[in-house]
Amino acid sequence: GENVEQHPSTLSVQEGDSAVIKCTYSDSASNYFPWYKQELGKGPQLIIDIRSNVGEKKDQRIAVTLNKTAKHFSLHITETQPEDSAVYFCAASRLTGGGNKLTFGTGTQLKVEL
Amino acid sequence: DTGVSQNPRHKITKRGQNVTFRCDPISEHNRLYWYRQTLGQGPEFLTYFQNEAQLEKSRLLSDRFSAERPKGSFSTLEIQRTEQGDSAMYLCASRRGTGSLLEETQYFGPGTRLLVL
Repeated sequence: GENVEQHPSTLSVQEGDSAVIKCTYSDSASNYFPWYKQELGKGPQLIIDIRSNVGEKKDQRIAVTLNKTAKHFSLHITETQPEDSAVYFCAASRLTGGGNKLTFGTGTQLKVEL
Repeated sequence: DTGVSQNPRHKITKRGQNVTFRCDPISEHNRLYWYRQTLGQGPEFLTYFQNEAQLEKSRLLSDRFSAERPKGSFSTLEIQRTEQGDSAMYLCASRRGTGSLLEETQYFGPGTRLLVL
């Protein structure tokens, strides 16, 4: 089955700096890679996703890059703000033939300091 | 607010008791997923439904666990003879569409936090 590794487990940045979180996956058939943000006591909320036929996707201050050959993908947050502080999870799945069940990484606790 | 609701939000029970959780997906979402999340970990897939059909179950779902979605709308997850290792957050997610109209995004509910004493 799929295995997703995520680094770092904790990340502390100054407000306004950039934050980068990296994930690797094992199943070459995975073709969908979402990123979720989870705040304390809440369920995960999708912030951005990417399909395997795309190398990069941006949405305002958030971007995701995918390297299919190396089987890794990264989340980039620019101009970080205190409200970005949360736990971030990467995930991987097969959109067809696998029911799109998500395999998650172990999470990154991001802290944005003033 | 994603629109997926889960009840109860918190449940404390004694070892050996049975518990049942409910998930109401976003209206017209025909796919429904259950995940389990333990402290400091990412969610782990348990099972999923397309309409009322349960299409896949993880090996994490022992025979003490049963999930249903009788009318293809809400779903229940029951744990029989709870053990302390069952303590976790149980998350439900839903997804819209079929065939060419199938969307990728899974929308998660707030979860039910279970503590087994």
